[in-house]
Amino acid sequence: GAGVSQSPSNKVTEKGKDVELRCDPISGHTALYWYRQSLGQGLEFLIYFQGNSAPDKSGLPSDRFSAERTGGSVSTLTIQRTQQEDSAVYLCASSLRDGYEQYFGPGTRLTVT
Amino acid sequence: QKEVEQNSGPLSVPEGAIASLNCTYSDRVSQSFFWYRQYSGKSPELIMSIYSNGDKEDGRFTAQLNKASQYVSLLIRDSQPSDSATYLCAAPQGGNEKLTFGTGTRLTIIP
Repeated sequence: GAGVSQSPSNKVTEKGKDVELRCDPISGHTALYWYRQSLGQGLEFLIYFQGNSAPDKSGLPSDRFSAERTGGSVSTLTIQRTQQEDSAVYLCASSLRDGYEQYFGPGTRLTVT
Repeated sequence: QKEVEQNSGPLSVPEGAIASLNCTYSDRVSQSFFWYRQYSGKSPELIMSIYSNGDKEDGRFTAQLNKASQYVSLLIRDSQPSDSATYLCAAPQGGNEKLTFGTGTRLTIIP
């Protein structure tokens, strides 16, 4: 079946602009996660959604970052007033439910100039 | 102490040998453990999951779990150059079922 998809695959934006990154999880997966990975670094947890529960936003680095998940499926990560330090690969993952295997999308490479 | 800890490497292993990757975790109540492989420029790919003490084999890969000692390892037999990648260990930590990832071990298989 189809895996996790993300769009766009690459995004170049100017400092100060807002960006939206999209994630389409595997059908039927109730848990969805966003991570950030800077060059040569490990995975940095940002936010996760589990069913209809309130999202765990504990990893969001600042209030410029927000995410929503509509209809329990597609999720959008929004970064407002982008900064150069936001440049990274943003990865989305989904799992059947929390604590189970996570499957990653291909990522969105964000470059802020 | 990091919640999920791995030696960052790099770990170099000759082709055909056994590569051994180790991971320790801090939360004794963790019940599930996962190994991911990440090629340079790609996203992590799940290769093994293990839930019970002992060994779990899948092809050339064997995951070993020792809950008493709080470590999980991944053995790769007959290592191939295509196994060269960063390997990430993950487990739920802190009473939270959200997975915590280690920083990864970079493995290089030398032809």
